[in-house]
Amino acid sequence: ELKVEQNPLFLSMQEGKNYTIYCNYSTTSDRLYWYRQDPGKSLESLFVLLSNGAVKQEGRLMASLDTKARLSTLHITAAVHDLSATYFCAVDPYGGSQGNLIFGKGTKLSVKP
Amino acid sequence: DAMVIQNPRYQVTQFGKPVTLSCSQTLNHNVMYWYQQKSSQAPKLLFHYYDKDFNNEADTPDNFQSRRPNTSFCFLDIRSPGLGDAAMYLCATRLAVRTDTQYFGPGTRLTVL
Repeated sequence: ELKVEQNPLFLSMQEGKNYTIYCNYSTTSDRLYWYRQDPGKSLESLFVLLSNGAVKQEGRLMASLDTKARLSTLHITAAVHDLSATYFCAVDPYGGSQGNLIFGKGTKLSVKP
Repeated sequence: DAMVIQNPRYQVTQFGKPVTLSCSQTLNHNVMYWYQQKSSQAPKLLFHYYDKDFNNEADTPDNFQSRRPNTSFCFLDIRSPGLGDAAMYLCATRLAVRTDTQYFGPGTRLTVL
């Protein structure tokens, strides 16, 4: 069975602290996506990781991909309240051009002053 | 400017009363997806269109149908909504190239009374 597992599922952080969210997946995939979702809102694309060793950074967020370990990480540096949201990773297990995604359960991040 | 538009944003229907949700896009993307997202869960793919080719996920109930009359529009029909169909329905589009991500609309929140 294809599985995409995120941990932790809930994360409460203080402002200014660093933390990492992990995304493990059970199938071969060289494409991994990270999305952000605010409460009651839709999903916003954060990162597209397309190869082993890919690293992308945007502001306080940095994502990386290790396809051999089937692991992606989303690292948060010096968290601020505005980063509070649910973060989903997703993999494309079929390759090709149709881009079907299997999502993890999401990590609900709460950043407190 | 909005790129993926969903209407209505909120829909209330009665048990068993058919309902249609609408999605339109200005991106000229050839792939369109419908997801169901229940509270505190990951989005679950229902089906997608690659151009005019319809692809149904194996576990999508027969109660759910879709139409794509042209590139810009896609509809989700729920023939006989049950209480378990109450959810956020997300439409997404993608250009069928390796490097692209999915672009999500704002979603339609469906309530079944």
